[in-house]
Amino acid sequence: AQSVTQLGSHVSVSEGALVLLRCNYSSSVPPYLFWYVQYPNQGLQLLLKYTSAATLVKGINGFEAEFKKSETSFHLTKPSAHMSDAAEYFCAVTAAGANNLFFGTGTRLTIIP
Amino acid sequence: DARVTQTPRDKVTEMGQEVTMRCQPILGHNTVFWYRQTMMQGLELLAYFRNRAPLDDSGMPKDRFSAEMPDATLATLKIQPSEPRDSAVYFCASGLNDRGPSLPNYNEQFFGPGTRLTVL
Repeated sequence: AQSVTQLGSHVSVSEGALVLLRCNYSSSVPPYLFWYVQYPNQGLQLLLKYTSAATLVKGINGFEAEFKKSETSFHLTKPSAHMSDAAEYFCAVTAAGANNLFFGTGTRLTIIP
Repeated sequence: DARVTQTPRDKVTEMGQEVTMRCQPILGHNTVFWYRQTMMQGLELLAYFRNRAPLDDSGMPKDRFSAEMPDATLATLKIQPSEPRDSAVYFCASGLNDRGPSLPNYNEQFFGPGTRLTVL
């Protein structure tokens, strides 16, 4: 079985500052990992995914995430926060043979002007 | 630009009424998922289908909720009778869980815009 834990249900950063959203996974087999973003009153959209190729994955809107097997982590980062990044971010995990994604509880990102 | 569509986008109804939400998955996708999102519970998986067959509906209250796929282009989620605690945003997502024998299935999901349900 797979699961993810997102540390921090709410994160606030100043505009222009580094964004770091944490995700740790649990999986007994090699995982595939995802970050989704949800803007207000919208559905979830894929930000980036790790599918066992490069460990550093680049996504849309300047976000990237690094798969670290030794730390069982897949943290999401962006060097410089923009007001438009304010949203809720979900980490998710799956693996070969699974039928489903397992989502974390989400992290709400607030950008301070 | 292929997208998952959901209707209606907003629904206000009174307690006891039947509610039907519809989802059109992306053409060619063979998995469909129904989620419910509330402030208190977050994102909850209600049920999912593969090739129109229900795989898991353990997240769904069986006494009042039902999910079906009459055909490959339509998934429905029905609540009868509805209750105020059913007020939430309901999302449908679709994906492709059969990329061929030599390709891994990443289970990537594409979400619709959601149906906001308010039960008074």
